[in-house]
Amino acid sequence: SAVISQKPSRDICQRGTSLTIQCQVDSQVTMMFWYRQQPGQSLTLIATANQGSEATYESGFVIDKFPISRPNLTFSTLTVSNMSPEDSSIYLCSVEVPSGNTIYFGEGSWLTVV
Amino acid sequence: RKEVEQDPGPFNVPEGATVAFNCTYSNSASQSFFWYRQDCRKEPKLLMSVYSSGNEDGRFTAQLNRASQYISLLIRDSKLSDSATYLCVVNQRNTGFQKLVFGTGTRLLVSP
Repeated sequence: SAVISQKPSRDICQRGTSLTIQCQVDSQVTMMFWYRQQPGQSLTLIATANQGSEATYESGFVIDKFPISRPNLTFSTLTVSNMSPEDSSIYLCSVEVPSGNTIYFGEGSWLTVV
Repeated sequence: RKEVEQDPGPFNVPEGATVAFNCTYSNSASQSFFWYRQDCRKEPKLLMSVYSSGNEDGRFTAQLNRASQYISLLIRDSKLSDSATYLCVVNQRNTGFQKLVFGTGTRLLVSP
């Protein structure tokens, strides 16, 4: 398994501002993923982040709104830019464990935009 | 049509009951399947993988029917601690990248 730490765990932000969420893993992993879970909804993949290459975004998500960094094999950041109340959500970092076909999640970052 | 469909519930059952959840998926090229459990205001946690031959882990049994594109989860002897949302998850691996597609979840409430 993997231990995944996310910061901040929760935040309340003003609309129009940006927030960067950090994800730290206790082991080196090739693939990291960022998901969003809006209130009452299931998880939706935002993008896949591999070290040394640009993130791959899913349909409906763009780099200008959700820029991602992946400077090394244990760390990634997701920025939610120019926030609006519609961005209020849980943002989850996840990793694929190299030894198996399994994905683990961080505890999530609960974002409320007012 | 949603890629992964589940009955949202809630399923209200007494302790000790047996309960079954079903899930269907639309992409026949899906390669692997999972059940995740999500407690209120917590992250999803892997409950079990699902194999065509069926697999069992204690009180939990998962089945996959590729021909019908159907996945099930059976919980026997329900405990209060089983109360949670159960997410059906399909892995649509594409060009080497994992892509997990989540159902909206089935909520289970186990009462004394």
